[in-house]
Amino acid sequence: AQSVTQLDSQVPVFEEAPVELRCNYSSSVSVYLFWYVQYPNQGLQLLLKYLSGSTLVESINGFEAEFNKSQTSFHLRKPSVHISDTAEYFCAVSEAGSARQLTFGSGTQLTVLP
Amino acid sequence: KAGVTQTPRYLIKTRGQQVTLSCSPISGHRSVSWYQQTPGQGLQFLFEYFSETQRNKGNFPGRFSGRQFSNSRSEMNVSTLELGDSALYLCASSLGVNEKLFFGSGTQLSVL
Repeated sequence: AQSVTQLDSQVPVFEEAPVELRCNYSSSVSVYLFWYVQYPNQGLQLLLKYLSGSTLVESINGFEAEFNKSQTSFHLRKPSVHISDTAEYFCAVSEAGSARQLTFGSGTQLTVLP
Repeated sequence: KAGVTQTPRYLIKTRGQQVTLSCSPISGHRSVSWYQQTPGQGLQFLFEYFSETQRNKGNFPGRFSGRQFSNSRSEMNVSTLELGDSALYLCASSLGVNEKLFFGSGTQLSVL
């Protein structure tokens, strides 16, 4: 079984400042890792994923995350945030080979302030 | 291409009733997963169907059930509703095992 811990439930940050949303996971088997974003009254959208290969993965809107196996972490970063990045972000893990059954963290509400 | 469609968008039921939620996946997607989202428990996996067969099941009581039809559309049913079943129920579809999940906007169920 896997578990995910998102260390911060709320992260307020000013526009154009950098941000890091922290995620740690626990698993006895190899895993896939994901970050999803949820805007109000909407479903979840995949932001980025790590399946294998390069440990640094990037999204098309400037977010990146690095898989650190020794620290069992998958922190999400963005060097400069925009108001439109305000949303709830979920870190998720699945057993490698089965990306359809996800275990989610409790979520981090990112609020970008003007 | 249309996204994942969930109906109804909102639903209000009373304790003891049963409810059926519907999910139409993206055309061509054969896998459908269901998740429950609540403020207290967060996002929890309910079950997953692929080609009309349940492949995985989360830790939920037998009151929660589902099925998938030959056109990949899926329904989930909750019988004998309890107040704690109030939640946003999200459906997601994917092409295959390691393909990304596409989520619908969910069905908000309120049990009074």
